Amino acid sequence: DAKTTQPTSMDCAEGRAANLPCNHSTISGNEYVYWYRQIHSQGPQYIIHGLKNNETNEMASLIITEDRKSSTLILPHATLRDTAVYYCIVRVAENSGGSNYKLTFGKGTLLTVNP
Amino acid sequence: GAGVSQSPSNKVTEKGKDVELRCDPISGHTALYWYRQSLGQGLEFLIYFQGNSAPDKSGLPSDRFSAERTGGSVSTLTIQRTQQEDSAVYLCASSRKGWVRTEAFFGQGTRLTVV
Repeated sequence: DAKTTQPTSMDCAEGRAANLPCNHSTISGNEYVYWYRQIHSQGPQYIIHGLKNNETNEMASLIITEDRKSSTLILPHATLRDTAVYYCIVRVAENSGGSNYKLTFGKGTLLTVNP
Repeated sequence: GAGVSQSPSNKVTEKGKDVELRCDPISGHTALYWYRQSLGQGLEFLIYFQGNSAPDKSGLPSDRFSAERTGGSVSTLTIQRTQQEDSAVYLCASSRKGWVRTEAFFGQGTRLTVV
């Protein structure tokens, strides 16, 4: 799996958009970008994933650059409950024909949403 | 159940004893992962099961660690002759193979304390 680079920590004001960057310059053509988050003392939670098009769901938006070497997770209106460690992961999708589908978590970004 | 279930939620054991940690994945999920997370650290991959394929054991830290998955469902992680450095939260996750949206669902973990 491609290595990812994320800032160690970020702060965001409540109600504002949180933009979390991730670099994955060695990503392969069949690798997806996944985002998970881990709120203190809980198991990680899936947020969103994408291949090359921008994606949006009820939790967040994912913006992937045209060259796919970086992406940004956007929480449009951050709340205090969004304070968590956010992990950016790249890996092949399980229906892509590859054999190694494990999720490899890096250090992630600690996002602190302040009142 | 609706989610990934792990038991026990907490386990305190004496150094040198063996422990077994159990994971019940979501019904129908063919992929199962074990991770561990030491205090203040990121997630460390341990082992990955996918259907009838040979498991990926590349993350097991020593031969004291083993895991099995019976009937493609329940998994047990066994740690023999526990050491204090084995103290951590052990997380299990499962996902459905064959879908583009290969979201992994995590359990709440087993907190293991070796005294």
